[in-house]
Amino acid sequence: GQSLEQPSEVTAVEGAIVQINCTYQTSGFNGLFWYQQHAGEAPTFLSYNVLDGLEEKGRFSSFLSRSKGYSYLLLKELQMKDSASYLCAVLDSNYQLIWGAGTKLIIKP
Amino acid sequence: GAVVSQHPSWVICKSGTSVKIECRSLDFQATTMFWYRQFPKQSLMLMATSNEGSKATYEQGVEKDKFLINHASLTLSTLTVTSAHPEDSSFYICSAREAGEGNQPQHFGDGTRLSIL
Repeated sequence: GQSLEQPSEVTAVEGAIVQINCTYQTSGFNGLFWYQQHAGEAPTFLSYNVLDGLEEKGRFSSFLSRSKGYSYLLLKELQMKDSASYLCAVLDSNYQLIWGAGTKLIIKP
Repeated sequence: GAVVSQHPSWVICKSGTSVKIECRSLDFQATTMFWYRQFPKQSLMLMATSNEGSKATYEQGVEKDKFLINHASLTLSTLTVTSAHPEDSSFYICSAREAGEGNQPQHFGDGTRLSIL
């Protein structure tokens, strides 16, 4: 079967750095997405990785290791507005998007 | 770019009413649109995949006669919840993927909060 695993909740301090992990087992791989979803709102696209390595986009970076079936989202200089759920999703061999359950990021002042 | 508009944002109606939700890609063509449902504190659940000009593909357990999907153009898909009941109350979100490679990101509408009394 296909599965994505993310921690259900992560807590961090404002101004700090936090890493949110995602491990996956899917039939085929055509890339991994990260989305941010604030409570009561729809998800917004953050990043897409299809090759191994780190992609940096401002305060947010996303890393991928295809051999390990592993990705992480790194958030730097945390702000209170970064409090949200972060969803990883993998595009399988049929270009179907398999969603993780999401990680709720709680930021404390 | 890549803006998806979803209307209405909120619907409150009586049991037995049919509700239509529209999803439009405003600045790109979307050959594929997706309809999701999300219950509080739960993950997105894909209901169906809609391809322009063809019948939608429904996920297992989703009643196609209950949730009617039409994707008549490259910029518009609609979801009609027929004879809605309180158990259909949920947050419905559409997304659209740009035409081209299958690895284009999905861009989401703002969602429709449906409450059936």
